[in-house]
Amino acid sequence: EPEVTQTPSHQVTQMGQEVILRCVPISNHLYFYWYRQILGQKVEFLVSFYNNEISEKSEIFDDQFSVERPDGSNFTLKIRSTKLEDSAMYFCASSGQSDSGRPLYEQYFGPGTRLTVT
Amino acid sequence: GQQVMQIPQYQHVQEGEDFTTYCNSSTTLSNIQWYKQRPGGHPVFLIQLVKSGEVKKQKRLTFQFGEAKKNSSLHITATQTTDVGTYFCAGFSWGSARQLTFGSGTQLTVLP
Repeated sequence: EPEVTQTPSHQVTQMGQEVILRCVPISNHLYFYWYRQILGQKVEFLVSFYNNEISEKSEIFDDQFSVERPDGSNFTLKIRSTKLEDSAMYFCASSGQSDSGRPLYEQYFGPGTRLTVT
Repeated sequence: GQQVMQIPQYQHVQEGEDFTTYCNSSTTLSNIQWYKQRPGGHPVFLIQLVKSGEVKKQKRLTFQFGEAKKNSSLHITATQTTDVGTYFCAGFSWGSARQLTFGSGTQLTVLP
């Protein structure tokens, strides 16, 4: 069964450094998302991406964050200057569309990247 | 902004007992989804409800969407140890097609 993959599984970085988290969504999916989950808390929406542009973003997704689809398979989240409070599990997700072109709303999550900022 | 609350936050049950988690949104939802997250795992999609008053069943799991489309519930009959995990509801508010707001989650522990 196709699945979303993410690398690395764990990233440790120092405060102020830039990090890039990588995701490979399910191959025929057109909608991509990033979420974060601080340990023991709920999953929080960061951004959605469709047709090579951001379609929606939350208040968390400020100027320090950016997303990119650099090629036909990867989807990346960049944090420009990490803060201690950016420590969290970051999940990538994707969703597809039906044969008739109707968007499907169920989202498929990757295994996550645990980001630790020291 | 939209808030989605779940109760209870934690639930411990003996294997074989039933379990219910309740989800309440501060705003009307266009649809609601349920996800399960195993300890150390990622959210896994379970189901989507769209219609007011809709009820769907998956084996021992029963999902309901309220008439006003602001609340939902998940009921598990005769829990098994494989049901352990955190159950999240998540919804799209009207006007948003992609911003999924997750509930606070209910962590279920099943004692053998």
